[in-house]
Amino acid sequence: DVKVTQSSRYLVKRTGEKVFLECVQDMDHENMFWYRQDPGLGLRLIYFSYDVKMKEKGDIPEGYSVSREKKERFSLILESASTNQTSMYLCASSLSYLMNTEAFFGQGTRLTVV
Amino acid sequence: GESVGLHLPTLSVQEGDNSIINCAYSNSASDYFIWYKQESGKGPQFIIDIRSNMDKRQGQRVTVLLNKTVKHLSLQIAATQPGDSAVYFCAENPNTDKLIFGTGTRLQVFP
Repeated sequence: DVKVTQSSRYLVKRTGEKVFLECVQDMDHENMFWYRQDPGLGLRLIYFSYDVKMKEKGDIPEGYSVSREKKERFSLILESASTNQTSMYLCASSLSYLMNTEAFFGQGTRLTVV
Repeated sequence: GESVGLHLPTLSVQEGDNSIINCAYSNSASDYFIWYKQESGKGPQFIIDIRSNMDKRQGQRVTVLLNKTVKHLSLQIAATQPGDSAVYFCAENPNTDKLIFGTGTRLQVFP
C-alpha cells in the first residue's frame, strides 16, 4: 500500500514563527502536492511538484514556500506564520504527471497559529 | 473534533438504505474524475474513479455515474453502513496537472 506520512498530526505555533511541515511518500511517485482544507472551502492547492527541485504554484501560494530536495520528501514552509494560516494541511502524492491517476493523501496536519 | 464537516451539505440515510451523493463539475474539458471519502481526523481516501469515455463504473458497493452532457457526477453507495459516515469529495482533472476538488458532502448514517 502507498503510504504518505506527514510528520505531525497537530501543531501549535506563534505568529511570526517559521513553520516546516514535512511529508514523505514511499511509492516513488513523481508528483507531490500540498493542500489546505478549511470549512466550506474544500481542498485548495498551495503548491505542487512534479520532480525533484521542481515546484509550481497552486491556487493559494501566498505566504508559503516549498522544498523538494529528494523525490520522496516534500516540505511546506510558512515563512512567517499568521493566524489566517490556521488550517488543516494535507499532503498528497500521485504517479502520473498529468494527474490521471489517483492521489494518495497523508493523514493531515492541523496547524493552529496563535 | 474535526471541523472539516461544518457548513457542508448533509445527506442523512438509514442504515441499509442506498445513498446517492451528487457533484456538479465545472470544466467540460475534464476527462478524469475521482470520489474520495474523508473520515473524521483522517486524510481523504480514494473510493473510485472514472474516465470520460465511460458513463458508469462499479466497485464494491459503490457505483459512479458520469453525465457529461450536464457535467454531473454521482456516487451511489448500496446498503449504507455506519462505517460509510464521512465527508465525500468529488474531484475532476481538467486535462491539466492537478485535480480540482468539490467542497464535499457529509453523509450521516443512522440506525
